[in-house]
Amino acid sequence: EAGVTQFPSHSVIEKGQTVTLRCDPISGHDNLYWYRRVMGKEIKFLLHFVKESKQDESGMPNNRFLAERTGGTYSTLKVQPAELEDSGVYFCASSRDRIGYTFGSGTRLTVV
Amino acid sequence: AQSVTQLDSHVSVSEGTPVLLRCNYSSSYSPSLFWYVQHPNKGLQLLLKYTSAATLVKGINGFEAEFKKSETSFHLTKPSAHMSDAAEYFCVVSGLRNQGGKLIFGQGTELSVKP
Repeated sequence: EAGVTQFPSHSVIEKGQTVTLRCDPISGHDNLYWYRRVMGKEIKFLLHFVKESKQDESGMPNNRFLAERTGGTYSTLKVQPAELEDSGVYFCASSRDRIGYTFGSGTRLTVV
Repeated sequence: AQSVTQLDSHVSVSEGTPVLLRCNYSSSYSPSLFWYVQHPNKGLQLLLKYTSAATLVKGINGFEAEFKKSETSFHLTKPSAHMSDAAEYFCVVSGLRNQGGKLIFGQGTELSVKP
């Protein structure tokens, strides 16, 4: 089966601009998670979708972040406006059963 | 609440010598535990997972980990390091499945392998 796909792999934007990250989960995986790692910190949970519904968004840092999963397939994570502290690597993972998780390769976001 | 602590931020070994990456967890219930590896410029790859079956878990590339409830530990070992093992390793605990199953990551351990 195809893995979890994320794009872009890298993005460099200026402070104040908008960036949209995309994640395509494994087909049939209802659970989709976003995580991020900012420089020097551990990987932290952002939010969890079950199909198109947000199950848990307790990790979203502020209202500049907006995640969607229209139709329960791919998901987007928009940052608007981007700030310097948003720089880091954003990972997406999907799971069929919440026991096995498959991660994408991540999107490295640099805000300058 | 669940948490995980990786006791070493960096470990350096010589090729052919054993690897030990230490991880302690805290959980109010019987946890699911994982080790993931990230090679430079790559994604997170699952090495192995413990889900309340055998306490000694074998993973890919010769790695294994032992779940020790009495010590709340889940250390990762490999008998003989290879140069290709150089990467960052993450110990991870999973939240309850019926509460979403989100993963809680340790801080990561950078493994260096010297020739």
